[in-house]
Amino acid sequence: EAGVAQSPRYKIIEKRQSVAFWCNPISGHATLYWYQQILGQGPKLLIQFQNNGVVDDSQLPKDRFSAERLKGVDSTLKIQPAKLEDSAVYLCASSQGQGAFTEKLFFGSGTQLSVL
Amino acid sequence: GQQLNQSPQSMFIQEGEDVSMNCTSSSIFNTWLWYKQDPGEGPVLLIALYKAGELTSNGRLTAQFGITRKDSFLNISASIPSDVGIYFCAGQASMNYGGSQGNLIFGKGTKLSVKP
Repeated sequence: EAGVAQSPRYKIIEKRQSVAFWCNPISGHATLYWYQQILGQGPKLLIQFQNNGVVDDSQLPKDRFSAERLKGVDSTLKIQPAKLEDSAVYLCASSQGQGAFTEKLFFGSGTQLSVL
Repeated sequence: GQQLNQSPQSMFIQEGEDVSMNCTSSSIFNTWLWYKQDPGEGPVLLIALYKAGELTSNGRLTAQFGITRKDSFLNISASIPSDVGIYFCAGQASMNYGGSQGNLIFGKGTKLSVKP
């Protein structure tokens, strides 16, 4: 079974530029998550989708970050404009069901973003 | 907000030794998860705990859900070089806390290094 696919693996941009990340979850998984992991920290949830609807985006900096999950499958996360503090690994995860507390999350390998 | 305190921050042990690490929270959790993250990869789920007092094993790994529901422990027996990595605990808040069902709170990780 294929895992969660993410691209690109690495991205280097200058501050104030825009960047987009792509995620393809495990086939059949209804719930998709984007996490931000700053060096030396654990992952922090940015946004959670159930099918193509947003369940939780309370920690998403909406002035610069946006995400969409059209057709309830693939998802893109965009940052515009990027700041130095956005340098982190952006992890996508998916889970099978409705995002309940018993769900097991499966993570992709992440996109490492460096903002110069 | 909710925080998880994970300790120790790092460990450097001899191959064959047993390892213990723990995670504590100021608030109650109804799910505890333990993940391992290798360099350049996303976290991989090791053990999931859903009930206070629960003790679960996965090969050489054993984890326990604390009775107070505010802590969890992970033990690794007879460590081997491939155990190297960062171990994260993650908790899901009580339904009554008001947090998102999908919002796992991660600790900062325990970095494990094994000397052959």
